[in-house]
Amino acid sequence: DQQVKQNSPSLSVQEGRISILNCDYTNSMFDYFLWYKKYPAEGPTFLISISSIKDKNEDGRFTVFLNKSAKHLSLHIVPSQPGDSAVYFCAAPTGSRLTFGEGTQLTVNP
Amino acid sequence: DSGVTQTPKHLITATGQRVTLRCSPRSGDLSVYWYQQSLDQGLQFLIQYYNGEERAKGNILERFSAQQFPDLHSELNLSSLELGDSALYFCASSVGQGTYGYTFGSGTRLTVV
Repeated sequence: DQQVKQNSPSLSVQEGRISILNCDYTNSMFDYFLWYKKYPAEGPTFLISISSIKDKNEDGRFTVFLNKSAKHLSLHIVPSQPGDSAVYFCAAPTGSRLTFGEGTQLTVNP
Repeated sequence: DSGVTQTPKHLITATGQRVTLRCSPRSGDLSVYWYQQSLDQGLQFLIQYYNGEERAKGNILERFSAQQFPDLHSELNLSSLELGDSALYFCASSVGQGTYGYTFGSGTRLTVV
């Protein structure tokens, strides 16, 4: 049972444009969500999070939106930079464990 | 450098063999978590230790076991290896038992041939 799903394995955007990465979840008990970024040969690093009491959280170029009724969240990166090219995972905690989506490979072209 | 050290970085072994993956948590962190990432999959939670004791278990196979030692480093033992065990194995650590401050190591890539 895949409780957190990222349906787009890859996304390619031009430098300076907006990148939108999507994530859907099925477990209505999830009340907190995180996005991680992963470069090759490195572990995932925390990027941004959102609590279910909010519908938006912003940190610099990164904004996460949460639509609880649709059980959907998205990560917006504006403007996108070549250094943002990485795999992005959304995740939801249950106790001390994280449930991850499959990841989306973002490529930002110069 | 995240402060979480995993060794070895790469491991190639044959089916039926046994391997041990090692993780040293970030200084001050008491919890260690193990995750498995198979090809094109998200990270799957395997097991958590807190200050030497097992605290949570995910879909970890019976052929796999782990422990956390008094110096807080952890080892993940994989035995009777199968081709399907080929994956990236990540360790993470945190101060407490929640997901706040989770820090991942760079992983061990296991290839079973």
